Amino acid sequence: QSALTQPASVSGSPGQSITISCTGTNTDIGAFSYVSWYHQYPGQAPKLLIYGVTKRPSGVPDRFSGSKSGNLASLTISGLQSEDEATYFCKSYTTRNTWAFGGGTKLTVL
Amino acid sequence: QVQLQESGPGHVKPSETLSLTCVVSGGFFTNAYWWSWVRQPPGKGLEWIGEIFHSGSTNYNPSLESRLTISVDKSNNQFSLNLTSMTAADTAVYYCARLCSGTSCPHYGLDVWGQGTTVIVAS
Repeated sequence: QSALTQPASVSGSPGQSITISCTGTNTDIGAFSYVSWYHQYPGQAPKLLIYGVTKRPSGVPDRFSGSKSGNLASLTISGLQSEDEATYFCKSYTTRNTWAFGGGTKLTVL
Repeated sequence: QVQLQESGPGHVKPSETLSLTCVVSGGFFTNAYWWSWVRQPPGKGLEWIGEIFHSGSTNYNPSLESRLTISVDKSNNQFSLNLTSMTAADTAVYYCARLCSGTSCPHYGLDVWGQGTTVIVAS
C-alpha cells in the first residue's frame, strides 16, 4: 500500500482542465515542500514534471502546474492534449528521511 | 547530457541476492545529487528503494532495509544495489535515477532516469 493516496483514474476531454490529488499526512506532504510529480508512458521510465511543489523543469509546458494545501498536493493540467494520456505519480519527502510515492493515477483523454 | 544505464541479471532464483549496477555517463559524481533506486512491480506503481550520496551516506526504504545495500564507486562513475533473500514479490522493473539536491537543478526531483531493467524472481 502506497504511503500517498491518489485516485486510480481521472479523465477529461481535449482542451479541458483536470486536477489529480495526492493525499498524505503531516509526516510527509504536510511537513515539507518537497513534492514532485512524474508522468509515465507504458514501457517507459517516469519523467519529472513538477518539483518543489510548484516548479517546472526546463522543457515542461506551463500547462502543468502544482500546488499544496496542508497534507494535500495537486497537479493540474490545463488545455488537455491527447499526449497527456499517461500515468501520473506524486512523490514526497518524509520525516523518516525517506521518499514516498503515490499509487499513480491513470489519465484518460476522451 | 547525463545518462544512466542499469545492468544486472534479468532473472534470479528465490532466496538469491540481486545485484544491479547503474553507470553514470556524460556527467560527474558530485555532491549535488543523491543516486537513487526505484522499482515498479508489473502493473503497479513506483516504490522508492533507497539512495546514496556522493559521500557514501545512504537512506533506505524501511521495508527493505534489512535486505538492502546501496554502494557507490566514484572512480568508475557507478552505483550499485544489492538485495538479498529475493522472493517473487521482488519481481519488478528496477530503475536507477538521479535526485538533485543542489540549487542549479530541479531541487529534490528525480530528473534523470535509466531506462529500467526487468528482474524476474522465479525458480
